[in-house]
Amino acid sequence: GENVEQHPSTLSVQEGDSAVIKCTYSDSASNYFPWYKQELGKRPQLIIDIRSNVGEKKDQRIAVTLNKTAKHFSLHITETQPEDSAVYFCAARINTGTASKLTFGTGTRLQVTL
Amino acid sequence: DGGITQSPKYLFRKEGQNVTLSCEQNLNHDAMYWYRQDPGQGLRLIYYSQIVNDFQKGDIAEGYSVSREKKESFPLTVTSAQKNPTAFYLCASSRDSLYGYTFGSGTRLTVV
Repeated sequence: GENVEQHPSTLSVQEGDSAVIKCTYSDSASNYFPWYKQELGKRPQLIIDIRSNVGEKKDQRIAVTLNKTAKHFSLHITETQPEDSAVYFCAARINTGTASKLTFGTGTRLQVTL
Repeated sequence: DGGITQSPKYLFRKEGQNVTLSCEQNLNHDAMYWYRQDPGQGLRLIYYSQIVNDFQKGDIAEGYSVSREKKESFPLTVTSAQKNPTAFYLCASSRDSLYGYTFGSGTRLTVV
C-alpha cells in the first residue's frame, strides 16, 4: 500500500520567516495530495491541495509544489504568523477500483515564535 | 459542525466493554472513513465505506467493527478485543474520489 513520510516532525520559525514541510510518497499511482492543519484538540482542516496534473498551486501565503518524478511534495508558508502554529499533515490519495482513501504523514508541529 | 457530527466528544470505557462512537453527516457524501490518532502520530485508517452496505478494512481494523446501513451514518464499535483503545477517533466523509475529506470534531476515548 501507499506510504507517506513527512519531515521535519517539529519546526520552529520566527514570525515573518518562511516554513517548509516536505513529504514523500511511495505509490506512483497516487494522484491527489492535500494538506491539513490541526490546532490542539480540534479537527484537521484542509488548507490546500494539489492534483497530479499540476506542479504548483498557491493560495495567499500558502503554496504547495509537487514533483511526480521524485514522488515528493512540499508545503511552503511565507510571512508566518503566530496563528500558523499548529500540526500540519500531508496526505496522498490513491484510487484503485472501488478503493479511494487518504494515507497521512505523521505530522509536523510548527511553532511560530514572536 | 461543518455537516459532520461525532458524538460523544468524550467517552470512557471500562475494561471488557464494547462502546460505539457515532458519526453522522448531512453533506450527501458517499464515502465515509474512521481514523485513529495517537499523540505524536499521524492518522491511521481503521475502516472506510464507499457506498451504503459496503465497507472495507483499513490498516488497523483489528478490534473494531462498523456498519453502513444509511448513507448519513457510519458508527464505529470499539470491542473488548481492542487492547489499547485509548485514542482520539476522527470520522471523515468525502464527496467522491476527486476531493479531500471533511472531518468531524472527534471523540476522545479513554479506558478506565
